[in-house]
Amino acid sequence: AQKVTQAQTEISVVEKEDVTLDCVYETRDTTYYLFWYKQPPSGELVFLIRRNSFDEQNEISGRYSWNFQKSTSSFNFTITASQVVDSAVYFCALSEGADGQNFVFGPGTRLSVLP
Amino acid sequence: DTEVTQTPKHLVMGMTNKKSLKCEQHMGHRAMYWYKQKAKKPPELMFVYSYEKLSINESVPSRFSPECPNSSLLNLHLHALQPEDSALYLCASSQGTGIQPQHFGDGTRLSIL
Repeated sequence: AQKVTQAQTEISVVEKEDVTLDCVYETRDTTYYLFWYKQPPSGELVFLIRRNSFDEQNEISGRYSWNFQKSTSSFNFTITASQVVDSAVYFCALSEGADGQNFVFGPGTRLSVLP
Repeated sequence: DTEVTQTPKHLVMGMTNKKSLKCEQHMGHRAMYWYKQKAKKPPELMFVYSYEKLSINESVPSRFSPECPNSSLLNLHLHALQPEDSALYLCASSQGTGIQPQHFGDGTRLSIL
């Protein structure tokens, strides 16, 4: 069985604040992939990052950074100096096994960045 | 602009109608997906086509019928839908299944009267 938990249903911050979105996953496989997607109000899901279970190196891309910790089964996402355009629903997702046939989204976190 | 194109963007239909949702991608991806998304919920996987063959069917009612005419096109045929089928229907594609990032279309917002 696999499961993705995003405990924060909604978060509101003021522009320029930093914000961290939590993602905790559960899987019995040793090979798995983790993803983050952004869904703005327009509806289209936008791929942000993919991490495989053998690569715990953290990543930074502009204002975005990701912290992957296998010891706590977490894959958290931080936005630095948030902007109004960051307002969206963010989904963490898990794909299990070498073929990744099982793919499931977490429930999502709605981020509102206020001007 | 999204590289996965879905038509129509909005669809209103009665429970006795027959309609189809269309999805097209020209990225050379060999896997295509249909998802259903209700308001304030994550997308739920409905169907996966890999190399034009249906590889995953997540126990979806038969009133939804997928079709993959070729590697660039994916259709979802709708017949005798229920009001609870009203949702955003998202199409996605990827180079391979599961481990590859999926590219999503804007979706079709479907309302059943």
